Amino acid sequence: EPEVTQTPSHQVTQMGQEVILRCVPISNHLYFYWYRQILGQKVEFLVSFYNNEISEKSEIFDDQFSVERPDGSNFTLKIRSTKLEDSAMYFCASSEARDTGELFFGEGSRLTVL
Amino acid sequence: GNSVTQMEGPVTLSEEAFLTINCTYTATGYPSLFWYVQYPGEGLQLLLKATKADDKGSNKGFEATYRKETTSFHLEKGSVQVSDSAVYFCALNTNAGKSTFGDGTTLTVKP
Repeated sequence: EPEVTQTPSHQVTQMGQEVILRCVPISNHLYFYWYRQILGQKVEFLVSFYNNEISEKSEIFDDQFSVERPDGSNFTLKIRSTKLEDSAMYFCASSEARDTGELFFGEGSRLTVL
Repeated sequence: GNSVTQMEGPVTLSEEAFLTINCTYTATGYPSLFWYVQYPGEGLQLLLKATKADDKGSNKGFEATYRKETTSFHLEKGSVQVSDSAVYFCALNTNAGKSTFGDGTTLTVKP
């Protein structure tokens, strides 16, 4: 069964460092998303991406965040200068169509900022 | 804006007990509704969905019916198992690309 894969599964970084989280969405999907879940809290939308551009972003997704689809398979989330409060589980998701709403999630990348 | 309100947890049940996790929503337009499950140490998986009023989603013995009149999508299972222990998230999507999630409800089933 096709699945969304994410790397790394866990990354520990120092405050102020840049981090890149990588995702390989399901191959025939067209819509890509990043969500995050701070430990014990709700799943929060960060950004959606379609046709090589951001289609929507939340207020959390400020200038320190960026997304990119550098090739035909990867979808990356970059945090330029990490803060302690960026510590969370980051989930990549993809969907085949925008209006079905069904998201296929990866297993997440846990980011710990020290 | 859109929002999802879930029954607060944690919920602890004995094996074979009946489960209900309440979920209500507010949304503009006509949302699709979802339940996702997160097993310990894993990502979110779609459990079931309903795309229009009165639809019933079902999977693995879980059911939820899209009730437009009460703006609800309560999750039920007649007989829970230890393996159902997980966090359950209610979510909606209104054709805007992103999904809005509830806070999650932690279910623990004891043998």
